[in-house]
Amino acid sequence: GDSVTQMEGPVTLSEEAFLTINCTYTATGYPSLFWYVQYPGEGLQLLLKATKADDKGSNKGFEATYRKETTSFHLEKGSVQVSDSAVYFCALSRDDKIIFGKGTRLHILP
Amino acid sequence: EPEVTQTPSHQVTQMGQEVILRCVPISNHLYFYWYRQILGQKVEFLVSFYNNEISEKSEIFDDQFSVERPDGSNFTLKIRSTKLEDSAMYFCASSPQGDARAGYTFGSGTRLTVV
Repeated sequence: GDSVTQMEGPVTLSEEAFLTINCTYTATGYPSLFWYVQYPGEGLQLLLKATKADDKGSNKGFEATYRKETTSFHLEKGSVQVSDSAVYFCALSRDDKIIFGKGTRLHILP
Repeated sequence: EPEVTQTPSHQVTQMGQEVILRCVPISNHLYFYWYRQILGQKVEFLVSFYNNEISEKSEIFDDQFSVERPDGSNFTLKIRSTKLEDSAMYFCASSPQGDARAGYTFGSGTRLTVV
């Protein structure tokens, strides 16, 4: 069935470092792809999305490109901040459901 | 920005007790969902709800679970007789038109601990 696999955490980086969190998916059809973020004590927030191949989603300095040929949707940010510390979930749409990965915890050190 | 509100944020209950988790979806949304995340595992779909009926439910959503929209604003998840393995974070979500491709708005979650 449809699924999402993302890199295991935690990921620990220094402030201003470059971030990549890998995500690959398995799906039939043409799902939308998402990154959701969960800051400490808060809910799941939609960070960015892409609805078709080669689309790039971007928000708050984060970006991810829908790569159909590699079935990937890797999250990147050029210069992370302490405030980016959170859990990041890669997800895809299937019918009327959203299917999530396990989440990757990100720690940014000052 | 409109929010999905969940209460309580944390609930501790004894095994075998009934619990009701509450959600207030965004006011003009018509589709409602419950998801859960057992610690360290994936966020999993439980149930979708539209027009006062369950649209779809997962294998997890057995006879111990029920959902209800008792009035025009609340959407509840009831677990009749909790088990230790029900301990998880439960997320409510809503959507205006049920189109998963647009993404859903999630609440901040209720952490349920069964002891």
